[in-house]
Amino acid sequence: TQLLEQSPQFLSIQEGENLTVYCNSSSVFSSLQWYRQEPGEGPVLLVTVVTGGEVKKLKRLTFQFGDARKDSSLHITAAQPGDTGLYLCAGNMDSNYQLIWGAGTKLIIKP
Amino acid sequence: KAGVTQTPRYLIKTRGQQVTLSCSPISGHRSVSWYQQTPGQGLQFLFEYFSETQRNKGNFPGRFSGRQFSNSRSEMNVSTLELGDSALYLCASSANPSTGPSTDTQYFGPGTRLTVL
Repeated sequence: TQLLEQSPQFLSIQEGENLTVYCNSSSVFSSLQWYRQEPGEGPVLLVTVVTGGEVKKLKRLTFQFGDARKDSSLHITAAQPGDTGLYLCAGNMDSNYQLIWGAGTKLIIKP
Repeated sequence: KAGVTQTPRYLIKTRGQQVTLSCSPISGHRSVSWYQQTPGQGLQFLFEYFSETQRNKGNFPGRFSGRQFSNSRSEMNVSTLELGDSALYLCASSANPSTGPSTDTQYFGPGTRLTVL
């Protein structure tokens, strides 16, 4: 059982559409990170959210950390083919030395 | 500054063999972590090395081992390979030695794709 559940597992949409992917848990995290991994590459950190209710924007990407710090979402506006990749969330629990990782959402943006 | 490099990029082995993977961290980074990535499972933490010492270990059998050299380069070894060991093996380096991989920014290499036949 994954401690961090990501949904959907797979999403294929047309260029220009909006989308939201989710990262949910029953556990509380002190911080949560989002990564994007492109084929043949390792994950690259996009953002870290720390405060419950926090919203961070990175161009067309909006990240939100839930008030209770148990969940997070990533919203992409006007998706572009360059957004294609595997989006991973990873949470930091103070009781754990290493990050807890979700299984990822595979996103394909069709031109 | 050069990124994290991993060699080889692809490897095909048969059951029962052993394999050694190599990781060179970003210059100046002293912490190296190893992960196994399989479809649907996300990243599973293998171990972390800092200053040539294993600082933490995940829940993998003893067939998985690693080491770190004085120049911070790291190797991981898998002995008696099983079909289930087929995966992408990623290493990540980080600069802050005191906080560990959960709080410090990690920089990942491209991974080694291991296929066990």
